[in-house]
Amino acid sequence: AQSVTQPDIHITVSEGASLELRCNYSYGATPYLFWYVQSPGQGLQLLLKYFSGDTLVQGIKGFEAEFKRSQSSFNLRKPSVHWSDAAEYFCAVGADSGAGSYQLTFGKGTKLSVIP
Amino acid sequence: EPEVTQTPSHQVTQMGQEVILRCVPISNHLYFYWYRQILGQKVEFLVSFYNNEISEKSEIFDDQFSVERPDGSNFTLKIRSTKLEDSAMYFCASISTSADQETQYFGPGTRLLVL
Repeated sequence: AQSVTQPDIHITVSEGASLELRCNYSYGATPYLFWYVQSPGQGLQLLLKYFSGDTLVQGIKGFEAEFKRSQSSFNLRKPSVHWSDAAEYFCAVGADSGAGSYQLTFGKGTKLSVIP
Repeated sequence: EPEVTQTPSHQVTQMGQEVILRCVPISNHLYFYWYRQILGQKVEFLVSFYNNEISEKSEIFDDQFSVERPDGSNFTLKIRSTKLEDSAMYFCASISTSADQETQYFGPGTRLLVL
């Protein structure tokens, strides 16, 4: 079965600093990989996704992530964090269910705090 | 931009009562999902639904749960006899006609509290 590990429960960065959120996955085949963001009391918003092709993917709000098969990682990065980026970030892997769709397995999330 | 909607946003119920959570997926989408997130924990897959039948379900999705697409727009999750541990945020998601390389779009969630 697939799994996702986000080793950092909580990260605090200063506004304007760079950010990297770590994500490692376990899956037997080539995974579909996603990063979602959740603000308090809100739903899940997709930041970016990887299905195939270029391993460096660009997302919304200036985020990017790089798929590294050798490390089973899909780390999220942003060169300069804004106060509005404070939220919880979830990495997810999509496992083909063989039924024409895929189910998402999420990590436990990393809560990002931004110091003004 | 089209979006997935869910009602109600919050629901409080007594243990043992039945609840129905409603979702309106994006109009041209054909694959539908329910996930839940217990407070402070990760989001967990419950069930996927396609062509008016369940395509996959997790071990969480036991006989107390059922899903239905009663008309052309709504997608519902029913919990027959709620338990305290059913308290969670429930998210609906949908994908468009071709599930391959498509994105699951999530609704804002329904926060269920069982007393």
